[in-house]
Amino acid sequence: GAVVSQHPSRVICKSGTSVKIECRSLDFQATTMFWYRQFPKQSLMLMATSNEGSKATYEQGVEKDKFLINHASLTLSTLTVTSAHPEDSSFYICSARDSGKETQYFGPGTRLLVL
Amino acid sequence: AQSVTQPDIHITVSEGASLELRCNYSYGATPYLFWYVQSPGQGLQLLLKYFSGDTLVQGIKGFEAEFKRSQSSFNLRKPSVHWSDAAEYFCAVGDYNFNKFYFGSGTKLNVKP
Repeated sequence: GAVVSQHPSRVICKSGTSVKIECRSLDFQATTMFWYRQFPKQSLMLMATSNEGSKATYEQGVEKDKFLINHASLTLSTLTVTSAHPEDSSFYICSARDSGKETQYFGPGTRLLVL
Repeated sequence: AQSVTQPDIHITVSEGASLELRCNYSYGATPYLFWYVQSPGQGLQLLLKYFSGDTLVQGIKGFEAEFKRSQSSFNLRKPSVHWSDAAEYFCAVGDYNFNKFYFGSGTKLNVKP
């Protein structure tokens, strides 16, 4: 089946620093990738939709200047949490839509802890 | 507005017993429905999906789900639960081009030996 990877799987950073998370589709091309955030014991909330070669579309309430998304190739999207603060600590999950298949494939997630 | 409701936050079943996880949705058009499973600290794995046709869909790991339009439900079932099924299960509805996914709040399954 389709595989989506994320790196890093876990990151701890100091408040005020920026963190970049990578999402890769390993065996298919993904023109569209998605970034979700999951708080403890809660469901996934869509943050933004990333389209290759164009600007990301952010969901209401998500700060685009805080969560920078780049989708430079058909297999890679990055999420950069800028000037991270403790309230940004969360589990970030990406997914990728395989153009030939009607579903999204999810990465394993990245646990971010901001001290 | 689109929404997905999973009314059971926690469910505990004995190993070997049958399982049914409930999912109700609200969606303005023909829904595309999914069930995902998430193990602790992991991403989501697709169990099964429904787009059209036969309302009873088979998935991986012995799971099945039945779409009932009249009840706006898409309940997940398994006839005999294994200890390895302990995880969190999410129901989701997707829009027509599979971009917007709306997730339920999840049901955590515990399996007693």
